[in-house]
Amino acid sequence: DTVLTQSPALAVSPGERVSISCRASEGVNSYMHWYQQKPGQQPKLLIYKASNLASGVPARFSGSGSGTDFTLTIDPVEADDTATYFCQQSWNDWTFGGGTKLELK
Amino acid sequence: EVQLVESGGSLVQPGGSLKLSCVASGFTFSNYWMDWVRQTPGKSLEWIGEINTDGSKTNYAPSIKDRFTISRDNAKSTLYLQMSNVKSDDTAIYYCTRAGTYWYFDFWGPGTMVTVSS
Repeated sequence: DTVLTQSPALAVSPGERVSISCRASEGVNSYMHWYQQKPGQQPKLLIYKASNLASGVPARFSGSGSGTDFTLTIDPVEADDTATYFCQQSWNDWTFGGGTKLELK
Repeated sequence: EVQLVESGGSLVQPGGSLKLSCVASGFTFSNYWMDWVRQTPGKSLEWIGEINTDGSKTNYAPSIKDRFTISRDNAKSTLYLQMSNVKSDDTAIYYCTRAGTYWYFDFWGPGTMVTVSS
């Protein structure tokens, strides 16, 4: 299985820029996708195929990367962005990262 | 508006069976591959399996293969997950998802909770 590694948690202040990383144990081309999950809710697609913004997602969210290293960037961060962010690859079957919990200071 | 609504989750004993359903609306159900994804109490997400548009092809994760079966009824816009010989490790929230072009999951239902315990 392709293992996706994310930092467990980050804390930032509103208005700042935050980058959330996801590292794959093997290359996944650009088949990396990002989701936001707020407490008590289902995940929501933010970015697909590394850098494509999903429909209805604010332009404050962006994605980059290819191969094994990927980044989700939120700029500027707003209070409503408090959530857990998951990466998912679809190059070698389908696996998810462990999630990064974003907290606001 | 795309909507996916799961049902059927409950408390089930180890070794038992359960069938989950997911009713879809707001899109042409028969045009999309559909998937099940689960989230454990520890919050990890795991892909369970997928089914093609006409139900003739399925793929499963090794952890549930030969125990779970995915099916669909396009006339009813409904996706199913038949679970058998369940184990405590199957305790999770089960999400019905729609598959996007590059095998991401572009819409998720609110999920249904399955608890396996004696």
